[in-house]
Amino acid sequence: QKEVEQDPGPLSVPEGAIVSLNCTYSNSAFQYFMWYRQYSRKGPELLMYTYSSGNKEDGRFTAQVDKSSKYISLFIRDSQPSDSATYLCAISAARQLTFGSGTQLTVLP
Amino acid sequence: DAGVTQSPTHLIKTRGQQVTLRCSPKSGHDTVSWYQQALGQGPQFIFQYYEEEERQRGNFPDRFSGHQFPNYSSELNVNALLLGDSALYLCASSVKSYNSPLHFGNGTRLTVT
Repeated sequence: QKEVEQDPGPLSVPEGAIVSLNCTYSNSAFQYFMWYRQYSRKGPELLMYTYSSGNKEDGRFTAQVDKSSKYISLFIRDSQPSDSATYLCAISAARQLTFGSGTQLTVLP
Repeated sequence: DAGVTQSPTHLIKTRGQQVTLRCSPKSGHDTVSWYQQALGQGPQFIFQYYEEEERQRGNFPDRFSGHQFPNYSSELNVNALLLGDSALYLCASSVKSYNSPLHFGNGTRLTVT
């Protein structure tokens, strides 16, 4: 079993839709939770960073962490074609990030 | 404010050769981590450097080695290249504090033929 599991998709939605991306993890030692966005031929770009259970909102993005269930989510409201990318969850323990395999998202105009 | 810069952007090598990849961290960052990203996969942790020493290492063989210089820049060296080493190599920088998020460069695409 991988330490971090992420549905690889691909996921295709119409413009304006609400997108839900999810990861589960197995190691209770994980303390910090991140979402990265990666465009084709680019490095991952940090979107959201949190360390506690609950919700964190930044513009159209909301990160949700449920430590009791070992489950994290990223919600994108009013999705735009420019949101088309691969989304990676990343979880940290002892300075080392463990990534999910990424979900490829396409937002259709 | 320059972000993380990596060079070269692309590289083609032959099996058995050696390669050196370079990274300059984001201004104000003192810690550099290297990740390998195979096609369609998430990045895998190789190792992390700060204060010019390797501090943590992932599950990679000794063929992978690195160095950090006094100006915080870093190199990744891979010896005896295998076809399976073909991947995107990402450098990430952060500050030494425990919970500092990582900022990534755009990577070096290595192809081994």
